Parts: sequence; structure tokens; C-alpha cells
Amino acid sequence: EVQVLESGGDLVQPGGSLRLSCVASGFTFSSYGMSWVRQAPGKGLEWVSAISGSGDTTYNADSVKGRFTISRDNSKNTLYLQMNSLRAEDTAVYYCASLTGSFLGYCDYWGQGTLVTVSS
Amino acid sequence: AIQLTQSPSSLSASVGDRVTLTCRASQGISSALAWYQQKPGKAPKFLIYDASSLESGVPSRFSGSGSGTDFTLTISSLQPEDFATYYCQHFNSYPQSLTFGGGTKLEIK
Repeated sequence: EVQVLESGGDLVQPGGSLRLSCVASGFTFSSYGMSWVRQAPGKGLEWVSAISGSGDTTYNADSVKGRFTISRDNSKNTLYLQMNSLRAEDTAVYYCASLTGSFLGYCDYWGQGTLVTVSS
Repeated sequence: AIQLTQSPSSLSASVGDRVTLTCRASQGISSALAWYQQKPGKAPKFLIYDASSLESGVPSRFSGSGSGTDFTLTISSLQPEDFATYYCQHFNSYPQSLTFGGGTKLEIK
């Protein structure tokens, strides 16, 4: 059974930093791309970042370029999102999702989400 | 980048109704489209991929169709558990990215 579990969400001040983690199991982690998708309160889904199965290639939405960094440790089946220079508009539930391809694709398995609140 | 526009933004329907939701791409995307269902406080659930292929375990009352720029998700006979928000999604080759539609909220009439 595939399982995806995020952690690391917290209340942080504007300009601060936070690192999210996502542990996956039940599939060959290194064979699939992974992605972060967020959802602001009462809003729709917004793609944030994605990374290839090998970790060599990353993709970022324009809204987070230069501030967020996605990475993975295939030895630990873990995905990360390092978030710097956080803004109020980054407040959202952050979901980790596996992708159907080794680079990009559809989001087939999702975690339950972790809440990031940016506020003073 | 390709934009996805979903319509309507909300829809009221009754149990047993047949409903069709629409997703329109700003340019042709062949059949590279997925649909998701999200209930309040829950993660999205993967329903349909490649426009018309049903993900394993998804009830057969769900079906998808379309190619190019116009896509539909049809629920043949609404069940109480189907009232949720539905999103379409595409992955772009250039620039390499994922795109979600704005969602359609399906409510009980």
C-alpha cells in the first residue's frame, strides 16, 4: 500500500524559513517524480515544485522561484521543501504527491497535508 | 504556460442526476489531462488520467472524455459521496510545470 506522509508545517513570521518533509512508502521511490502542491484557505490547488526521480532535475512555479528549494533523499524515501523568505501569501496546506512519471506527470498519491501559516 | 479553465465554478444537483463538468485548455494538450476529487479537509483523490482512463478503484459512474482543448468529466448517477470539488490538471512540457484548473464545486440541491 502506498503511503505519503508530510510533516514540518508550523506558524512562522514573514521573512522566516521552514523545511517540510514527506516520507513515502509502498513504491520504488527513486523511480518517480515527486511534487509539492499547496492550497490556501478556501482556495484551489496550486502547484509549487516538482523533482525528477533521480533528483537531478527540479521545476518551480514562478511564485516561489528563488525562495523555495525542492530536494529528495532516495536512500530515505524522503522529499523536502525548503521555504525561505516566507510571505503571508504562502499560507496554505502543503501537500506532497507522487507523480506518475519519472519527471513530470499526474499526481496519483497524496499525503494528508501539512499547514504552513505565515503571520506576525 | 497553458491555462486550464473549469466551468461552472459551482453546480447544484440532486442524487441520481447525471452531471457534466468542463475543463478548457488555453491551447491544445492532446489527451494529457487528469481529474481529481477533493472533499473538505481532505487531500485530492486521483480519478481519471489521460483524459478518459479511470484510475483503479474509481467507480464506473465516473467517466472522462475530450482531447485538444475541451474536456469533460461526467458522473452518470450522482451518489451522496460525490458531492465535492473537482479539479482538472495538465503537466506542461515547456515550460516544464504542472497546472491545475480553478475547480468546480458540486453541491447538493
